[in-house]
Amino acid sequence: QKEVEQNSGPLSVPEGAIASLNCTYSDRGSQSFFWYRQYSGKSPELIMFIYSNGDKEDGRFTAQLNKASQYVSLLIRDSQPSDSATYLCAVKRLSNYQLIWGAGTKLIIKP
Amino acid sequence: SAVISQKPSRDICQRGTSLTIQCQVDSQVTMMFWYRQQPGQSLTLIATANQGSEATYESGFVIDKFPISRPNLTFSTLTVSNMSPEDSSIYLCSVEGIQIGASEKLFFGSGTQLSVL
Repeated sequence: QKEVEQNSGPLSVPEGAIASLNCTYSDRGSQSFFWYRQYSGKSPELIMFIYSNGDKEDGRFTAQLNKASQYVSLLIRDSQPSDSATYLCAVKRLSNYQLIWGAGTKLIIKP
Repeated sequence: SAVISQKPSRDICQRGTSLTIQCQVDSQVTMMFWYRQQPGQSLTLIATANQGSEATYESGFVIDKFPISRPNLTFSTLTVSNMSPEDSSIYLCSVEGIQIGASEKLFFGSGTQLSVL
């Protein structure tokens, strides 16, 4: 079992709809959770981070964390073609503060 | 945010040769991280470079293969030595944010796409 797991996709969502991306992790002691967006041929860029259970909203993006179930989600409302990218989930281990990355989910927003 | 200049952006190299990748940051940072990203794969941390001390390598990566220099707080190099086709990958340097509330955010260089023939 990988320490951070994501569905590789591609996830295809029509423009204007809600895109839902999921990530599960195995280290129950993890404390910090991050979503990075990576356009093809580009470097990752941070779009959301969350530390506490519940929802955190930033514009069209909402990160959701459920530590009991060990999953973190990213919702993108009113999806735009420019949201088409690979979304990487990263989890920071409490034991050594190392950032562990998922393989990413490729999101395609269809006009 | 930190601005990181990484070069070269891409290179095609022959088996058995070495390539040195450079990263320059626009602010002083304690740690710089070197990652590898193979097609369709996760980011994998190669090593953490601290100024004034030896780099810390992750399991599966050794100094003889990936020597790192960190001569000051704004610059680092990663060398991929004695390359083989298996080293073909994207190599990324990154730093943590230095502003309050940004210390856990990673900022990345533009990456070096390496192809080994």
